[in-house]
Amino acid sequence: QLQLQESGPGLVKPSETLSLTCTVSGGSISSSGYYWGWIRQPPGKGLEWIGSMYSSGSTYYNPSLKSRVTISVDMSKNQFSLKLSSVTAADTAVYYCVREKDPGDWFDPWGQGALVAVSS
Amino acid sequence: QSVLTQPPSASGTPGQRVTISCSGSTSNIGSNTVNWYQQLPGTAPKLLIYSNNQRPSGVPDRFSGSKSGTSASLAISGLQSEDEADYYCASWDDSLNAYVFGTGTKVTVL
Repeated sequence: QLQLQESGPGLVKPSETLSLTCTVSGGSISSSGYYWGWIRQPPGKGLEWIGSMYSSGSTYYNPSLKSRVTISVDMSKNQFSLKLSSVTAADTAVYYCVREKDPGDWFDPWGQGALVAVSS
Repeated sequence: QSVLTQPPSASGTPGQRVTISCSGSTSNIGSNTVNWYQQLPGTAPKLLIYSNNQRPSGVPDRFSGSKSGTSASLAISGLQSEDEADYYCASWDDSLNAYVFGTGTKVTVL
């Protein structure tokens, strides 16, 4: 059974870069034919898609965040990562890593989520 | 600010049927398929319905989805206490070039 697990610092200072890693178990990122992405949810609020990538390295991002987002893959570790630069308090959220069937399709499964707070 | 609008809340007694609407536009629901996610309290969202009306393995057939024009609906028949959760619709938006989620609906079992 495929499982995803987020990891990374739970606290980031304003203007710095948020970095999270998603470790995939029960399947290989490189051989799956799926996309891999990130979604976030501010406390008490709704869901926002951040971006996704294919194992080949091709990426597509939410235009509202594109200038600050980088998603990359480390196939040797079966992991993919999120970097979000120049963070503010508005970036405080639970960040979920997900598997995506195809661009614009559904997300399944989801990781359990990692809360990242932006504060000095 | 979400482009997919859902009622903030819905409720019913055990055994009742509850329907949640999701209103969009020609650039999202009108042009692309709709997916639904269930988020139980304190947990990550879970795929509930994909491609408008398909249930992933393990999802009870009490849950059903439909789409017409620029709107979609999720129906829960035979409501159970474990269905208390937040429900989100979602679709790709061709104008925004982004995957968009609905505003979310909290379902309460009375």
